[in-house]
Amino acid sequence: DVKVTQSSRYLVKRTGEKVFLECVQDMDHENMFWYRQDPGLGLRLIYFSYDVKMKEKGDIPEGYSVSREKKERFSLILESASTNQTSMYLCASSLPRGGLGYEQYFGPGTRLTVT
Amino acid sequence: TQLLEQSPQFLSIQEGENLTVYCNSSSVFSSLQWYRQEPGEGPVLLVTVVTGGEVKKLKRLTFQFGDARKDSSLHITAAQPGDTGLYLCAGEVGRTYKYIFGTGTRLKVLA
Repeated sequence: DVKVTQSSRYLVKRTGEKVFLECVQDMDHENMFWYRQDPGLGLRLIYFSYDVKMKEKGDIPEGYSVSREKKERFSLILESASTNQTSMYLCASSLPRGGLGYEQYFGPGTRLTVT
Repeated sequence: TQLLEQSPQFLSIQEGENLTVYCNSSSVFSSLQWYRQEPGEGPVLLVTVVTGGEVKKLKRLTFQFGDARKDSSLHITAAQPGDTGLYLCAGEVGRTYKYIFGTGTRLKVLA
């Protein structure tokens, strides 16, 4: 059974703290994604990685960075957390594009609150 | 900025009723996906449609991709409480990794 796991389900941090969100997939997928989900806005792509050490900015990369040192692991870093980064963060992985696009497999999400 | 608007935003219906959820954009998509997300979980893929006018059925769920590949609909026949969840459409931009997600439709089916 395919699996994407995220290090924490709930996280509370203070403004200005450095925050690490970890994501691990066991499907040997090349692609990994970080999204944030806010009510009424759907999912918005923060960063995408298509290979180890490779990354591309998504639609809302400001205030975030990522790291992919191993194929199975993709980390999202908030260098200095702010209250407007309070959100649900979802990690996903997929194979490279096939004839039917990408099927993305999502983790359960991390609900981050920044106070 | 490309947008995918879903309607309605919220829907509460009785078990056994039919419903349709719409996903609309002014942009053309290479493919379009529908996901369902249950509380405390990540979205799970229901279907991918790639051809304009394509219709796919998944038990009581019928998905249609618009002829111009700008819009899609999800029709549920005889809804059941197990259909409760957040439904998300996602359109693929070009032939890339990038999907634009819709704003979501939160469905509640009452027994």
